[in-house]
Amino acid sequence: KAGVTQTPRYLIKTRGQQVTLSCSPISGHRSVSWYQQTPGQGLQFLFEYFSETQRNKGNFPGRFSGRQFSNSRSEMNVSTLELGDSALYLCASSAGLAGGEQYFGPGTRLTVT
Amino acid sequence: GESVGLHLPTLSVQEGDNSIINCAYSNSASDYFIWYKQESGKGPQFIIDIRSNMDKRQGQRVTVLLNKTVKHLSLQIAATQPGDSAVYFCAETSPFSGNTPLVFGKGTRLSVIA
Repeated sequence: KAGVTQTPRYLIKTRGQQVTLSCSPISGHRSVSWYQQTPGQGLQFLFEYFSETQRNKGNFPGRFSGRQFSNSRSEMNVSTLELGDSALYLCASSAGLAGGEQYFGPGTRLTVT
Repeated sequence: GESVGLHLPTLSVQEGDNSIINCAYSNSASDYFIWYKQESGKGPQFIIDIRSNMDKRQGQRVTVLLNKTVKHLSLQIAATQPGDSAVYFCAETSPFSGNTPLVFGKGTRLSVIA
């Protein structure tokens, strides 16, 4: 069974631009969560989608948004990029309604200049 | 590869020795705990999990201990190998209460000396 895939793997953007990251979960998994990883803050939860609905949201500004499609694939969008948005963005998928064991993709490394 | 954390606590162990990585979790309501391993350039990889109704769980070469009284988790790796070198994170959540996001600890870098 293929793992979680994320595209692109690396991205360089300039301040003020916007970016869209994509995540394809493990086949059959309906829950997709997004996390931001930085050296200073560690791994922080952004949001979670289940069956195309946002189920949980972390403490991030409204510039960060996401969505999930009927095939469970998910995208996250960051508008008006700031230098502090430079991070590794990780997507995780899980099978159940109650979350639990989450499987991570390799991440997208976003650099904002 | 990416730098996961510039100032993580580091544990250095000799190849073949046992490793113990500790983690203090924050929420006494958390009822599910997971240890993840993250190698450079990769996403976190599931190692082992434990529910709050247990205090010990064993896997292949790994054991997780849970002490709910002091909100403490530990990961024991037997006969540590060079391939175990990575950053290890504990994560807590309470999916059975409908609270599914993982809350991660800061991580510990394990360095295996050959």
